Amino acid sequence: DAGVIQSPRHEVTEMGQEVTLRCKPISGHDYLFWYRQTMMRGLELLIYFNNNVPIDDSGMPEDRFSAKMPNASFSTLKIQPSEPRDSAVYFCASSLNAGGRDTQYFGPGTRLTVL
Amino acid sequence: SQQGEEDPQALSIQEGENATMNCSYKTSINNLQWYRQNSGRGLVHLILIRSNEREKHSGRLRVTLDTSKKSSSLLITASRAADTASYFCATDQGSGYALNFGKGTSLLVTP
Repeated sequence: DAGVIQSPRHEVTEMGQEVTLRCKPISGHDYLFWYRQTMMRGLELLIYFNNNVPIDDSGMPEDRFSAKMPNASFSTLKIQPSEPRDSAVYFCASSLNAGGRDTQYFGPGTRLTVL
Repeated sequence: SQQGEEDPQALSIQEGENATMNCSYKTSINNLQWYRQNSGRGLVHLILIRSNEREKHSGRLRVTLDTSKKSSSLLITASRAADTASYFCATDQGSGYALNFGKGTSLLVTP
């Protein structure tokens, strides 16, 4: 298996632009998680899905952030409009069972820089 | 919000020495996990320990859990330069569906 795939690996954009991050989870995994990692705040859970349905989006910082999972093999995290404080590494992870009771498999991350 | 807090924040040792990292958490848990992150990479799962377990081994890794003290430790024996990475503990939230990660311990193993 190729593991969790994320694209792009690096994204540099200007403030105000729309940014779309993409994730392909491991086939057969029912749970998908989006995290954001910064030096100041560490690794933060933004949102997670179970069987393509968003379960908890309380970690999404603002209405500028949105996430979708149109099917079991694809999810997007969109930031519109982007701001410099959104600069971070964004990780997608998937797991077979509920995250706390099972291993989460992380993608390589997308390093986002908003100028 | 982060529930796990790792200690120390940074650790530097020489190859062959043992490395011990600690994790404290605030509320009761069902499971605790440890992950490793190499620079510029995603996190990789190391070990999961359940709340009714006290100790678990995996190769050179030994994890302990003390639920009365709400703490866990990760011991890496006979460390190697390749063990250089950040190590995170993660606890499950009440529902058990998501994980809370600490800020990690940065381990440097020098030859």
